[in-house]
Amino acid sequence: NAGVTQTPKFQVLKTGQSMTLQCAQDMNHEYMSWYRQDPGMGLRLIHYSVGAGITDQGEVPNGYNVSRSTTEDFPLRLLSAAPSQTSVYFCASSRQGSNYGYTFGSGTRLTVV
Amino acid sequence: GQQVMQIPQYQHVQEGEDFTTYCNSSTTLSNIQWYKQRPGGHPVFLIQLVKSGEVKKQKRLTFQFGEAKKNSSLHITATQTTDVGTYFCALYSGAGSYQLTFGKGTKLSVIP
Repeated sequence: NAGVTQTPKFQVLKTGQSMTLQCAQDMNHEYMSWYRQDPGMGLRLIHYSVGAGITDQGEVPNGYNVSRSTTEDFPLRLLSAAPSQTSVYFCASSRQGSNYGYTFGSGTRLTVV
Repeated sequence: GQQVMQIPQYQHVQEGEDFTTYCNSSTTLSNIQWYKQRPGGHPVFLIQLVKSGEVKKQKRLTFQFGEAKKNSSLHITATQTTDVGTYFCALYSGAGSYQLTFGKGTKLSVIP
């Protein structure tokens, strides 16, 4: 199993550009989440999903959209990139229920100039 | 949602010394998880604690959940250079919540 696959690994955007960060998991996990990690801020939840067709906002959702059309995929869209969105983005998935740990992807390092 | 304070933020130890990081909450937690992130890597799930007073061990790592389920600790005995990284605690934000909230982490450096 590949686990959680994120693409791309690195990306540079200009302010105002849009892009989609891809996330796919092959473990048939119900839960999927997107986090951003900034120095000194830990991991902050952007959006999460508890199943196909169900998404909800986390702590820092502004400027991001998500959708979950299949169990496997959970893309994160940046609508109009801003320098404040420069960060490392992690996608994670878990089996249903609060008794399971999350499996993280290897991350996407995004720079907005 | 529930918040957790993790201390210390940084810890530098000589190889062979012990290390402990703590997570503290003002409210009772249903469970708590611990993750490790190596430099340049991604968080990796270590363990989950659920019961009051629970103690679990993984080789040199000892995890504890407080009797009141408001705090937790991770203790590493005789640190090695392979222990370098940031250790995070994480918890679900409230009863029935699906949001996993992370502490800010403790960054461990091990001096050979």
